[in-house]
Amino acid sequence: DVKVTQSSRYLVKRTGEKVFLECVQDMDHENMFWYRQDPGLGLRLIYFSYDVKMKEKGDIPEGYSVSREKKERFSLILESASTNQTSMYLCASSFFLKGATETQYFGPGTRLLVL
Amino acid sequence: KQEVTQIPAALSVPEGENLVLNCSFTDSAIYNLQWFRQDPGKGLTSLLLIQSSQREQTSGRLNASLDKSSGRSTLYIAASQPGDSATYLCAVMGTSYDKVIFGPGTSLSVIP
Repeated sequence: DVKVTQSSRYLVKRTGEKVFLECVQDMDHENMFWYRQDPGLGLRLIYFSYDVKMKEKGDIPEGYSVSREKKERFSLILESASTNQTSMYLCASSFFLKGATETQYFGPGTRLLVL
Repeated sequence: KQEVTQIPAALSVPEGENLVLNCSFTDSAIYNLQWFRQDPGKGLTSLLLIQSSQREQTSGRLNASLDKSSGRSTLYIAASQPGDSATYLCAVMGTSYDKVIFGPGTSLSVIP
């Protein structure tokens, strides 16, 4: 079974802190994604990566950065956390262009509260 | 810009009913469409993926159809069960392969 794990289920941070969210997948997937999910706004793509050291901005990259030093690990960084970054963060991974196997597999999510 | 909508936003049915969830997208130039299930406070679980060249996919009591020309997909759930209660999201991948656009979801409640 594909497994996507996220480092924390719940996090509480203070405004201005630097926050790291880690995601690890065990299926040798090329693609990895970070989304945030908010009531009434649905899932919105923050960043994605289709290879090691490669990254592409999604729809809402402001205030975030990412790092992909190894294929299995994709980190989301909040450089200076703000209250409007309180949200559910979801990581996903998938194969790249392999026909019917582009299914995205999601981690359990990290619920971040910024005070 | 691709936009994905889902109707209805919420649905409540008695156990045993067959039901249909709808997904619409504005740009028919898609690579694939995927249906997901999300339980409260949890991540998303993939249910079915339909390639742009396909018309439907089936898994157990679930059947998803795709009509690219009209920009529509439906998820049919047969003989609904209380365990089917969840939010169902559709997601579209464009032909540039770079992004997946999610719909807002349909919240389904199956009453025993």
